[in-house]
Amino acid sequence: GDSVTQMEGPVTLSEEAFLTINCTYTATGYPSLFWYVQYPGEGLQLLLKATKADDKGSNKGFEATYRKETTSFHLEKGSVQVSDSAVYFCALFDGGATNKLIFGTGTLLAVQP
Amino acid sequence: NAGVTQTPKFQVLKTGQSMTLQCAQDMNHEYMSWYRQDPGMGLRLIHYSVGAGITDQGEVPNGYNVSRSTTEDFPLRLLSAAPSQTSVYFCASSYSGQTYNSPLHFGNGTRLTVT
Repeated sequence: GDSVTQMEGPVTLSEEAFLTINCTYTATGYPSLFWYVQYPGEGLQLLLKATKADDKGSNKGFEATYRKETTSFHLEKGSVQVSDSAVYFCALFDGGATNKLIFGTGTLLAVQP
Repeated sequence: NAGVTQTPKFQVLKTGQSMTLQCAQDMNHEYMSWYRQDPGMGLRLIHYSVGAGITDQGEVPNGYNVSRSTTEDFPLRLLSAAPSQTSVYFCASSYSGQTYNSPLHFGNGTRLTVT
């Protein structure tokens, strides 16, 4: 079945460092891909999305490009801030019978001042 | 704008007890769902609803019941709590079930401990 694999955390960075969180997927069709972010004590919220191959989603300085050839959707940010500390979830939607999102296990990012 | 509201925020149950987790949304969303979040496992879908009067099972439905009598409310019932149901529960809604163009809005979660 469809699945999402994310890099294990935690990822610990200093402020202004470059961030990459890897995400790869397995899907039988042509899924839409998402990054959700969960700040401490809160629910998840959509960070960015891409609905077809070569699309780039971007928001709040974060970017991710839908790479069909490598089945990847890696999250990047050029200069992280302490306020970016959160858990990041990669997810896919394939429009199947349940119309559900399939989530990765989440990657904790801790940014130190 | 309240969005998705879940109550309670924390709950401790003894094995065998029953309870209902409440979820309400004020965005007139047709699609509502319940996920559980466990360490190292991401979020897993328990039950979902595509509209009032319609519910269906997700990937981990055993031990849980749902109903959808109104568009706004989607309660999750634990029939006989077990320690394996210790988790953080999230309710989420969207305008439609097609989340590629209708992103999910999540509540802040209910942390449940079963002893």
